[in-house]
Amino acid sequence: DAGVTQSPTHLIKTRGQQVTLRCSPKSGHDTVSWYQQALGQGPQFIFQYYEEEERQRGNFPDRFSGHQFPNYSSELNVNALLLGDSALYLCASSFRVPGPSSSYNSPLHFGNGTRLTVT
Amino acid sequence: GQQVMQIPQYQHVQEGEDFTTYCNSSTTLSNIQWYKQRPGGHPVFLIQLVKSGEVKKQKRLTFQFGEAKKNSSLHITATQTTDVGTYFCAGGAAGNKLTFGGGTRVLVKP
Repeated sequence: DAGVTQSPTHLIKTRGQQVTLRCSPKSGHDTVSWYQQALGQGPQFIFQYYEEEERQRGNFPDRFSGHQFPNYSSELNVNALLLGDSALYLCASSFRVPGPSSSYNSPLHFGNGTRLTVT
Repeated sequence: GQQVMQIPQYQHVQEGEDFTTYCNSSTTLSNIQWYKQRPGGHPVFLIQLVKSGEVKKQKRLTFQFGEAKKNSSLHITATQTTDVGTYFCAGGAAGNKLTFGGGTRVLVKP
């Protein structure tokens, strides 16, 4: 049973370029969340996709966009890269918990991440 | 927006000793989850607490959720070298969103 897979593992880009990161969720999971983790810090929530739509978004600019495909896999796109975008980008998959009032969150299963370096 | 803070940021522990790390949220949480990230690895889910005042144990790890559901703690007894890593708490809110704290980095001295 494959876990969460991300590609590529490492990426070096130049300021102003665009990048696409890919994620395949754990088998049976339908929700994908993306996190940015700067060195020495905790993961920061970028957005979450469910049923091919962005359901929640963190405090990230519109340069960060995403997509979810019918097979639940997902892409994260970052345009006009800045030096500050250098980080580990983590994809996490989970089950969608029905209803906004549920007190339970499905645990996140993380991939190994994509290390993005912007020069 | 919701903020989750963890203290201490770093924890240097002698092997065999106990320690506690704390997590505080700016808002009332639906639940709290704890993750462990080994150096060079990705966060791995440890546990979820949902009820006010809930206490759960996993071998040498004891997790507690505060009565007001705004804070949590992780206590590790008889620390081992395998406990090295960063421990993150993540506050759960309505809508399946998790907000991570900055983590406590644990270093074990043999």
